[in-house]
Amino acid sequence: EVQLVESGGGLVQPGGSLRLSCAASGFTFSSYWMSWVRQAPGKGLEWVANIKQDGSEKYYVDSVKGRFTISRDNAKNSLYLQMNSLRAEDTAVYYCARVRCSSTSCYAHDAFDIWGQGTMVTVSS
Amino acid sequence: AIRMTQSPSSLSASTGDRVTITCRASQGISSYLAWYQQKPGKAPKLLIYAASTLQSGVPSRFSGSGSGTDFTLTISCLQSEDFATYYCQQYYSYPTWTFGQGTKVEIK
Repeated sequence: EVQLVESGGGLVQPGGSLRLSCAASGFTFSSYWMSWVRQAPGKGLEWVANIKQDGSEKYYVDSVKGRFTISRDNAKNSLYLQMNSLRAEDTAVYYCARVRCSSTSCYAHDAFDIWGQGTMVTVSS
Repeated sequence: AIRMTQSPSSLSASTGDRVTITCRASQGISSYLAWYQQKPGKAPKLLIYAASTLQSGVPSRFSGSGSGTDFTLTISCLQSEDFATYYCQQYYSYPTWTFGQGTKVEIK
């Protein structure tokens, strides 16, 4: 079964750090672009970061640039999000998501076809 | 950044109704558009990609159309399990992606 399972969320004080993990199974993880998407309580979806198959390209939404770092370990079939200098506005459910591959290629220009169940991050004193 | 605007923000409908949700991009995005369904407490689910291609396993009562800046998601005959929030997403503006604000479909 194709699956993504996030972990690492929790309560952290403003200015603190947290590292989220996403374990992939049931597919060839190293073949896919991967992403993090977040959703603040009662709000809509916001794309946070993307990473290329080999980790050579990484992109971020402006609001997290310089504070968050996306990474991956293809040997462990795992995706990560290191979050530093956390702010109250970072409070959200964080989802990892797979960028779908077409029948012929796996590029960043595609939709998110597999999502994890999400992990909650709360930034509060 | 490309902005995605959905309308309406919410709607009330009955089972069996035909429902249409609109998504407008602030600039042309060709057909690089996806639609997702999200139920409370659950992760989003991909319904349609490339503006009109149905994801495997998604019922045929869902359909998408449009290109450029204007797109629609249609549910031809609303079922009880379709009451949810729907989001459009553009993936044209490499390397940043944006979602619409969502449309909540509620029971009338």
